[in-house]
Order: sequence, then C-alpha cells, then structure tokens
Amino acid sequence: AQKVTQAQTEISVVEKEDVTLDCVYETRDTTYYLFWYKQPPSGELVFLIRRNSFDEQNEISGRYSWNFQKSTSSFNFTITASQVVDSAVYFCALSEATSNSGYALNFGKGTSLLVTP
Amino acid sequence: ETGVTQTPRHLVMGMTNKKSLKCEQHLGHNAMYWYKQSAKKPLELMFVYSLEERVENNSVPSRFSPECPNSSHLFLHLHTLQPEDSALYLCASSQEWTGQGFDYEQYFGPGTRLTVT
Repeated sequence: AQKVTQAQTEISVVEKEDVTLDCVYETRDTTYYLFWYKQPPSGELVFLIRRNSFDEQNEISGRYSWNFQKSTSSFNFTITASQVVDSAVYFCALSEATSNSGYALNFGKGTSLLVTP
Repeated sequence: ETGVTQTPRHLVMGMTNKKSLKCEQHLGHNAMYWYKQSAKKPLELMFVYSLEERVENNSVPSRFSPECPNSSHLFLHLHTLQPEDSALYLCASSQEWTGQGFDYEQYFGPGTRLTVT
C-alpha cells in the first residue's frame, strides 16, 4: 500500500502565484518523520525540510511554508509568489521509526511543478 | 568536492556488459544508500549500508551488487542487466540510524542515468 500519496501529478502556475502541493501519508507509528525534497531538471534531490511527528508547528522558510496536520495525516507545502526557478518535481517522503526498514524513505510519486513567466 | 558525487553521470550499456557506478560522500556521514528512480514510479530503496555493513536489501535482483569499502564510498556493480533496469540511480548519505528513530535527512547525489540496450 502506498504510504505517501501526492495526488497532484502536475501543476502549472504563472509566476508570482501561490501554489500548494499536497501530501497525505499513512502510518500506524506514533513516531515518524516527514520530508520534502525538490528535484530540479538536473536530477539531484535537494532536501527542503524534515518534520518529526511530535512537532506539529508549521514552518516558514522564506517563500516556502509547510502545514503539518496529524488529524488529517497531511503535510502540505506552499510556495508563495512562485518563481520560474521553482519549476521542479517535488517529493514528499515518510520514514517510520519502528519499521523493519527503519532506514527507508517512502517517497510519494512526486508533483511536477511548472512555473511560467 | 562537496556533498555527494556520483560517476558516471550517464551510462549506456549492453545487456552482457559489466559496469560499476560510483558514489562518494564528503559530508562525514556513515550511512549510504542506493535508490532507483524509474519513470512514473516512486523512488525505490535498493540497498542501505551503515558503518560499511549492509543492513537493508530490498529484494533487489542479484544482477545488482553493492560494495561499500569505507564510509565515504559506495559502488553498485552491474552485470547482465535487462532493458527494464534503465533508470536514474541515486546515491544518498546520512548520519547513522541510531535505532531511536530516523530523524537525519538523507543527502542525494545527482544520479547516474543508466540506459540498457
């Protein structure tokens, strides 16, 4: 079963628009970790944020913000005033502390974001 | 060099060839990973090494053979591959999983784009 669902396959916005990328996860663990990565066309996955399950505080970093809601098992990512350089594939990932594969990052299928001028 | 580097960046090989992918991390980490990224599929964890010992093997075919001679280097030896093995192979590194939870983010290299003909 898919542990991380990113329902939006592709999103296209015009520069300066705000855009929210959805991530819904599934786990039975009480301790787990959520991540967002950015994959630009060059291919390298760039770490953006890690959130622990016991810390539901939302976070803002420049134009990026993350909304973690355990009640809905969601960890959504918003880019404010999008720029062309934000064009990339964005992955949400889950790591479960008690998993036999404790090292594993379970990735969603990714959301491809295209920001046009 | 900084971060995680991978060579070669592109590789084309026949089904009967033997080749190796190389990964090197310059972050002082002691866990390293191989992931496979195929089109339209989530990233798949292949192998995990912690302190140079293999701790995870996600049912990967034996035609893929990893090697971790030290905590900074990771290889993926390839032989008699199939066309469906064509993909982007990503290497990552992180701090050792402590057993208390996985809250150390993984840092990825740029990947090797492999084409099997």
